[in-house]
Amino acid sequence: EAGVAQSPRYKIIEKRQSVAFWCNPISGHATLYWYQQILGQGPKLLIQFQNNGVVDDSQLPKDRFSAERLKGVDSTLKIQPAKLEDSAVYLCASSKARGTLSYEQYFGPGTRLTVT
Amino acid sequence: GESVGLHLPTLSVQEGDNSIINCAYSNSASDYFIWYKQESGKGPQFIIDIRSNMDKRQGQRVTVLLNKTVKHLSLQIAATQPGDSAVYFCADNFNKFYFGSGTKLNVKP
Repeated sequence: EAGVAQSPRYKIIEKRQSVAFWCNPISGHATLYWYQQILGQGPKLLIQFQNNGVVDDSQLPKDRFSAERLKGVDSTLKIQPAKLEDSAVYLCASSKARGTLSYEQYFGPGTRLTVT
Repeated sequence: GESVGLHLPTLSVQEGDNSIINCAYSNSASDYFIWYKQESGKGPQFIIDIRSNMDKRQGQRVTVLLNKTVKHLSLQIAATQPGDSAVYFCADNFNKFYFGSGTKLNVKP
C-alpha cells in the first residue's frame, strides 16, 4: 500500500511570495489533514477535510492560508503571501472515514518550507 | 486552556531497559488517545491508540495506560532499542489532535 505522498519536499521562498503544497492521501482514505510543525514543536492541525468538505479549519490563518480538496482525493495548501514565521514543515495526513473505530492517521514525509 | 501535554522534554535510557513516557490531558471529554513516534526528518508514525473505555492496551513491546481519574496516560516501551530513539507525542481527538511538544527519547547503547 502506497503511503501519503507530498511534494515538494523542500521549498525556499522570500517573504511576501506565494507557495503551494500538494498531498495525495492513501487510496480510500476519506479524511485528510494538514498540519504545521515548527521546529521543536509538535504538529498543529491547520485544516481537516472529510471527502471534499471542510470539517475543521478553525486554526487555519485564513488571511493568508487556503486549502482545497476539490475531488475528495488530492489536496493543495497555499500560503499567500508568506511570512517569516511560516517557516515550518507542513505535514499531510490521511485516515479512514470518521465513524470507524480508529482515527489512526498516516503521515506523509512533509514539505520543509523556509521563508527568507 | 484545554491541552494535551507531556511532562518531560527529554528521556535518556539504557538499551534494554524499559522506557516510560508520560502525558497529561485536561479535558475529561477526550475519549480517544493516540501515541505517535517521530524520527528525525520524517512524519509522525502511529504507535498505539486507546479509547477511554479501556485502562490498558498492549501492542508489540509497547503498552499504553490510561488513568482517567487523574487525566494521565503513559507509553511504556519494553526492552528499549536504539531504533526507538525519536520524539514521542500523545494526541487526543477532542482537542483538535493537539500533539504538544513531545518527549525526546534517547537510547544509550
